Amino acid sequence: DAKTTQPPSMDCAEGRAANLPCNHSTISGNEYVYWYRQIHSQGPQYIIHGLKNNETNEMASLIITEDRKSSTLILPHATLRDTAVYYCIVRVAGAGKSTFGDGTTLTVKP
Amino acid sequence: DAGVTQSPTHLIKTRGQQVTLRCSPISGHKSVSWYQQVLGQGPQFIFQYYEKEERGRGNFPDRFSARQFPNYSSELNVNALLLGDSALYLCASSFSRGLWLGYTFGSGTRLTVV
Repeated sequence: DAKTTQPPSMDCAEGRAANLPCNHSTISGNEYVYWYRQIHSQGPQYIIHGLKNNETNEMASLIITEDRKSSTLILPHATLRDTAVYYCIVRVAGAGKSTFGDGTTLTVKP
Repeated sequence: DAGVTQSPTHLIKTRGQQVTLRCSPISGHKSVSWYQQVLGQGPQFIFQYYEKEERGRGNFPDRFSARQFPNYSSELNVNALLLGDSALYLCASSFSRGLWLGYTFGSGTRLTVV
């Protein structure tokens, strides 16, 4: 699995958009980008994934650069409940494992 | 539908003992994976099982073993516990190994080795 690089921490004001970056410069052509988040004392929660195109669901949007070497997770209107550790993972669909880094701790402030 | 359930939620063991952790996947999910999460770090992959066969193994010693049962539930066994085995052990299930739509994680088992 390709290695990912994320900032260790970020702050965001409640109600504003939170933009979480991830670098994955060694991503292979058949690797997807996945985002998870982990709220304290819970298991990680799947947010969104994509291969090449930008994706949107009820939780977030995923923007993947054209060269696929980086991506951004966007929480359009952050709430206090979005405070969590966010993990960016790249992996081949069907591979046996996912490699989690240390993630980005997002703190949403009132 | 019930999510991924893990038992027990917490336990304390002594160095040198053995422990068995249990996981029940979401109904219909055939793939189960185990992760270890040490405090302050991201989860680290231990094993994946699909259709009762081991499909992937992380960089963990042979003290760690697992199996998957016909009903797709799974057990993780750790022998000769060390203090460094203290961690949150997470189980995750998914429907298919080939088309990976994302894991659903359980809330984990918090293991403390004293």
